[in-house]
Amino acid sequence: DAKTTQPPSMDCAEGRAANLPCNHSTISGNEYVYWYRQIHSQGPQYIIHGLKNNETNEMASLIITEDRKSSTLILPHATLRDTAVYYCIVALDTGTASKLTFGTGTRLQVTL
Amino acid sequence: DAGVTQSPTHLIKTRGQQVTLRCSPKSGHDTVSWYQQALGQGPQFIFQYYEEEERQRGNFPDRFSGHQFPNYSSELNVNALWLGDSALYLCASTALGRPYNEQFFGPGTRLTVL
Repeated sequence: DAKTTQPPSMDCAEGRAANLPCNHSTISGNEYVYWYRQIHSQGPQYIIHGLKNNETNEMASLIITEDRKSSTLILPHATLRDTAVYYCIVALDTGTASKLTFGTGTRLQVTL
Repeated sequence: DAGVTQSPTHLIKTRGQQVTLRCSPKSGHDTVSWYQQALGQGPQFIFQYYEEEERQRGNFPDRFSGHQFPNYSSELNVNALWLGDSALYLCASTALGRPYNEQFFGPGTRLTVL
């Protein structure tokens, strides 16, 4: 699995957009980028995923660079409830569940 | 619809003992994965079960074993516990044939080995 690199921590003011970067320079052509988050004392929660096109859902947007070597997760209007550790993961998607290789993630602190 | 459930919530064991953790997948899911999360670290993949068989395994010793039952629920067994096994153990479920790896995680079992 390709390795990902994320900043250890970030701060964001409530109501502002939170932009979380991820580097995955060794990603292969058939690997997807997944984002999960883990709120304190809970299990990880799926947020969004993408292959090469930008993606948006009710939780967030995912921007993947054209060379696919990096991506950015965008929370458009961060709230205090978005305070969590955010994990960027690269994994195959062959139609069967893959093992997810978590790094140490980015700890996002949303403040008033 | 209940999500992924795990039991017990917390567990304290002593070195050398054996432990069994349990997981019930989300309704409609047939694949269960187990992860170990040490304090301050991201979850690490232990193994995955589908159709009552182990499909994938991470870099964990044979002391870690599992089982999946016909109703898709699963158990994680750890023998000869040592201090380093203290961690949060997470169960995740999904359904084969889903178009992507959206895995649903339970709240975890916190294991403390003294």
